[in-house]
Amino acid sequence: GAVVSQHPSRVICKSGTSVKIECRSLDFQATTMFWYRQFPKQSLMLMATSNEGSKATYEQGVEKDKFLINHASLTLSTLTVTSAHPEDSSFYICSARVLGGENSPLHFGNGTRLTVT
Amino acid sequence: TQLLEQSPQFLSIQEGENLTVYCNSSSVFSSLQWYRQEPGEGPVLLVTVVTGGEVKKLKRLTFQFGDARKDSSLHITAAQPGDTGLYLCAGSSGYALNFGKGTSLLVTP
Repeated sequence: GAVVSQHPSRVICKSGTSVKIECRSLDFQATTMFWYRQFPKQSLMLMATSNEGSKATYEQGVEKDKFLINHASLTLSTLTVTSAHPEDSSFYICSARVLGGENSPLHFGNGTRLTVT
Repeated sequence: TQLLEQSPQFLSIQEGENLTVYCNSSSVFSSLQWYRQEPGEGPVLLVTVVTGGEVKKLKRLTFQFGDARKDSSLHITAAQPGDTGLYLCAGSSGYALNFGKGTSLLVTP
């Protein structure tokens, strides 16, 4: 159980275009989802916390107008990278917790490899 | 943000050897989790430790949570090539998880 599905797994786009990444909890409801970014051979950096029905909470240094997050339902959060540039190329990973408090584990999607040319 | 330091950052060993990975912080965590990540995939949870001094075993992997709940270690016995991957420790900071920088392990036959 507790499967998180992320789509697409890979995307290549041209500089200046926007890309939407979807994160779905398949067999559980998640009022909160988390978006991470990972550069090659580095750890996961939390970008933002996505809250169902309300605005996302962004970490310091993450531009909210560039990384638009929409958490429209209890099973879906989307991250849109707007006006993408080559420096936005990265591995984006979403995660969610089964309702149960801060000690319950996060379940991760398989990530989206974004390449901006 | 509560910082987690992991060491070593890289480790290359031969099959059959033992190894220990450390995760340290100056902050106290309500729990620490260990994940393993393979290239191009999301992290997969290995274990959650909650109680200070707790030891958990998962086959050849032994996880320990420090008494003060500020540090943790992962010990692998008789490593195998299938253990190759990025090992990440993570501590709860509010409702999100903050990750250490990871230990990249390579086990060669």
